[in-house]
Amino acid sequence: AQSVTQLGSHVSVSEGALVLLRCNYSSSVPPYLFWYVQYPNQGLQLLLKYTTGATLVKGINGFEAEFKKSETSFHLTKPSAHMSDAAEYFCAALTSGSARQLTFGSGTQLTVLP
Amino acid sequence: NAGVTQTPKFRVLKTGQSMTLLCAQDMNHEYMYWYRQDPGMGLRLIHYSVGEGTTAKGEVPDGYNVSRLKKQNFLLGLESAAPSQTSVYFCASTSTQAEAFFGQGTRLTVV
Repeated sequence: AQSVTQLGSHVSVSEGALVLLRCNYSSSVPPYLFWYVQYPNQGLQLLLKYTTGATLVKGINGFEAEFKKSETSFHLTKPSAHMSDAAEYFCAALTSGSARQLTFGSGTQLTVLP
Repeated sequence: NAGVTQTPKFRVLKTGQSMTLLCAQDMNHEYMYWYRQDPGMGLRLIHYSVGEGTTAKGEVPDGYNVSRLKKQNFLLGLESAAPSQTSVYFCASTSTQAEAFFGQGTRLTVV
């Protein structure tokens, strides 16, 4: 079965510093990959997605992620953290084909320090 | 365009009571999902559906049942609620273009 692993349940960065949130998936067949953000007491909002094509994907709010098949990774980065980036971030994988199971990682809580 | 709508938004149940959560989407999506979110555990898939009239078990299906009688609706039922089912429940739908849209969640407390 598909699994998604997010390394680090809590990450703290200073405002203006690089944000790096790690995600690895388990499927031997590269799935579709996503990063979602969740603010307190809200639903999930899509940051970016990888389906096919260019492996460096740009999303909203200055975030980007790079799909690396050889490392089965899809890490999320942002060059300069802003206080408003503090939230919980989820990596997700969608298996292609008829099964279409959408699996999430356990989440990373990002804290941005002033 | 409402997207994905979940009802109710909040509910308190007594142990042993039953209830149904409704998820409705107006995007003509084929695929729909029910998740529960618990602290430190991310979103765990309960059941999902790849089309009208079809359902499948996810990671944590025990204690829940689902039905997809109409393409736009995906119902999640708890036949006999237990305190372990206290959680926030999210519904999502997606099309073949792959992006999933989420409802705002249902906060369920079982006492």
